Amino acid sequence: SAVISQKPSRDICQRGTSLTIQCQVDSQVTMMFWYRQQPGQSLTLIATANQGSEATYESGFVIDKFPISRPNLTFSTLTVSNLSPEDSSIYLCSVLGATGVTEAFFGQGTRLTVV
Amino acid sequence: AQKVTQAQTEISVVEKEDVTLDCVYETRDTTYYLFWYKQPPSGELVFLIRRNSFDEQNEISGRYSWNFQKSTSSFNFTITASQVVDSAVYFCALRGHYGGATNKLIFGTGTLLAVQP
Repeated sequence: SAVISQKPSRDICQRGTSLTIQCQVDSQVTMMFWYRQQPGQSLTLIATANQGSEATYESGFVIDKFPISRPNLTFSTLTVSNLSPEDSSIYLCSVLGATGVTEAFFGQGTRLTVV
Repeated sequence: AQKVTQAQTEISVVEKEDVTLDCVYETRDTTYYLFWYKQPPSGELVFLIRRNSFDEQNEISGRYSWNFQKSTSSFNFTITASQVVDSAVYFCALRGHYGGATNKLIFGTGTLLAVQP
């Protein structure tokens, strides 16, 4: 299984600012995923980050609001820009196992509160 | 379209009771994967089980058991002799095997299980 370290674990941010979340994996992975979980809701995929190419965003999510970097096969960042209270959520990064068809592993999540 | 339905929003049981969490899925893929995850109050997602569409064998792991029935598109999860530490939100998820670029997981809305002492 992959070990995923996500930082920060939680943060409180002022509206209008940005927060960058880091995700570090203990092994090389092709695909990394970023999810959002709004309070009391399920997980929604924001985007898929592949090393060496632009991230692929899901419907309703745009690069200007959620820029993603993927500089190598073990690391990715998600920035949530121009924060508003509606961005208060848990953000999780995820990777697939080596074969690509195993279970997905998740970081411990970043609990963001926007005030 | 792919969809996962967890009709039970919240379940409350008393310790040592058995509890079953329901999961119904929809997919047009002939090959797919089903998962259960546990999310305790701390927020992380803990993988519990994966089941392949071509393997309908039920599985038991300690107090946990899973019943996969393709005929009813269901993948139910039973906790036997529940404990307070089982209190969490449980998510059922689906991923199709369509060779696409994302292989994204489709999550159900989750079931909040509260086990009372």
